[in-house]
Order: sequence, then C-alpha cells, then structure tokens
Amino acid sequence: RKEVEQDPGPFNVPEGATVAFNCTYSNSASQSFFWYRQDCRKEPKLLMSVYSSGNEDGRFTAQLNRASQYISLLIRDSKLSDSATYLCVVNPRGTYKYIFGTGTRLKVLA
Amino acid sequence: GAGVSQTPSNKVTEKGKYVELRCDPISGHTALYWYRQSLGQGPEFLIYFQGTGAADDSGLPNDRFFAVRPEGSVSTLKIQRTERGDSAVYLCASSRTGGESIGELFFGEGSRLTVL
Repeated sequence: RKEVEQDPGPFNVPEGATVAFNCTYSNSASQSFFWYRQDCRKEPKLLMSVYSSGNEDGRFTAQLNRASQYISLLIRDSKLSDSATYLCVVNPRGTYKYIFGTGTRLKVLA
Repeated sequence: GAGVSQTPSNKVTEKGKYVELRCDPISGHTALYWYRQSLGQGPEFLIYFQGTGAADDSGLPNDRFFAVRPEGSVSTLKIQRTERGDSAVYLCASSRTGGESIGELFFGEGSRLTVL
C-alpha cells in the first residue's frame, strides 16, 4: 500500500462547479499535511497547509480526518485557471520527509 | 536569485555515463531536498540535507546515487552508470527551517534527465 494515495483523475468539471478531492495516508503518526498545486511541466507550489480544525482560503477549503486518515480539498466556483494537478503531501512524525501522492488532475472546462 | 535554481534544465546522456545535477537553494534556507518525478507520478523523495549533512538519504534507490552539500548551500546530485530507468525530472527544493519545524517547500524548475 502506498503511503499517500490519491485518485489520479482526471476530473473534468465545468466552470463554476464545486469539486472535491480526497487523499488517504497510511501512517497514523503523520503530523503535518499539505496540498500542493502543480501546473503542467512546472514545479509544485504550496497551495495550503491542512490543519486539524480545517481551514479555508478563498474558494479553497481543506479538511483533515485523523480517525479515518484522510484529507480533503474542496474547490468552489471553479475557474479555468484552477486546471492543474493537486498533490497531497504528508509529513510522518519523526521524519523530515514530505511524502507526495500521485496527484489528482483537474481540468476545468469553459 | 530569488528562487531555487537548478542546472542543467535538460540533460541527455547515454546509458552507463556519469551525470551531475546542481541545485542552488534560496539564500538562508537550511533544509534542502532532492526528489525525482516520473511522468504521471508525484515527486518521490530521494534525500534531505539539514545544513551540510544528509539527515535522511533513505530515498536514494541504490548506491549509484549520491548527493553532497559541502558548504551547506549548493547541492549536487551525482548518478553513476546511468540506466534508462533513471530518466525523470529531478526536483530540488529548499525550506527555511528543518528539524522539528516543517515549513513550505520551494521547488526549482527541475532538471529533466533522459538516458538513451
């Protein structure tokens, strides 16, 4: 089983739609969680950190469920510019690694 | 420069050759990471430096791979006897802090390695 698992997609959604991605992680001792965004043939960039209480940044909402070991990303009112791959990232406790998932590809259609 | 700089941006080599990839992190960032990304996959952890020392090299796939950071700034990833399976984009990232505090990773644009 992979340490971090994501549905690779692609998710094709119309502009204005709400879309949600989930990510599961295997190490229950993981302590830090993030979503990174990666545009085609570009480097990953931090989208948002994920806190235990959940957090929101504009149209983006991230949630953490420690009991079920998954994190989610919700994007409201999708824009064409949201088209990218969204990478789930986990930091296991006691390590300095950032473990990346395969990524979920999103395509927002006009 | 303002960001993480990686050279070369593209490298084509023949099977069996030796390759060096260079990373110049953001000034003042003590933590430096190397990742490898194949098409359709997420970045795969290779090695982490805190200062000059390799704090975690558990991701290096075999002893053909080696990385150094002699002065705690620039790092070089070295690949001996390259194989076709080594073809990938090699990403370097730096972070302001390491140790117990996990911070944002800033990635370079990567070095695309093709082994023929």
